Amino acid sequence: GGIITQTPKFLIGQEGQKLTLKCQQNFNHDTMYWYRQDSGKGLRLIYYSITENDLQKGDLSEGYDASREKKSSFSLTVTSAQKNEMAVFLCASSIGLGGDTQYFGPGTRLLVL
Amino acid sequence: GDSVIQMQGQVTLSENDFLFINCTYSTTGYPTLFWYVQYSGEGPQLLLQVTTANNKGSSRGFEATYDKGTTSFHLQKTSVQEIDSAVYYCAMRDPSSGSWQLIFGSGTQLTVMP
Repeated sequence: GGIITQTPKFLIGQEGQKLTLKCQQNFNHDTMYWYRQDSGKGLRLIYYSITENDLQKGDLSEGYDASREKKSSFSLTVTSAQKNEMAVFLCASSIGLGGDTQYFGPGTRLLVL
Repeated sequence: GDSVIQMQGQVTLSENDFLFINCTYSTTGYPTLFWYVQYSGEGPQLLLQVTTANNKGSSRGFEATYDKGTTSFHLQKTSVQEIDSAVYYCAMRDPSSGSWQLIFGSGTQLTVMP
């Protein structure tokens, strides 16, 4: 088995601030994902990466950057936090794209004051 | 475009009640359908999936049947327990429409009272 670790668990930021969320996986999976989870809206894909140094935009990429410098890690940056924003960011990984099961981390909870 | 609809935002039941959570989907192709469960403080985890139309998937007492005629994938359990309290997400993937992405419904919060 493996595990996905997300840091920090909670993140409080100020309006306009650049904020970085980190994700590590020890499954040795090639593909990693960042999703945003809002109450009543399900999960929406922000970025994904099919291998080290690869980045692909999802449906919700505007306002975010991502970085995949190692196979095991995938970072997400909120480029300018929006006032009163509140969401959970979920990292996931899978062996590849397509039919493989995605495994999720516990999430980072963001609150912007 | 592709979509997954869960109309029930919240469901509250008592232990041993029957569970039924609606899910309908919209796509032009032949999707694989999923149910994910998310317990408090954790990430979603796969509960069950079905690839072929008219087949049933089951796991931990939960069942869902892929009904292509009604484009539905409702989740059922005969007798829920307090430990089943969680958020349940219906999802689909339809590579035949040119996309590998998982499309999630909005989720259903299940609360089971002791």
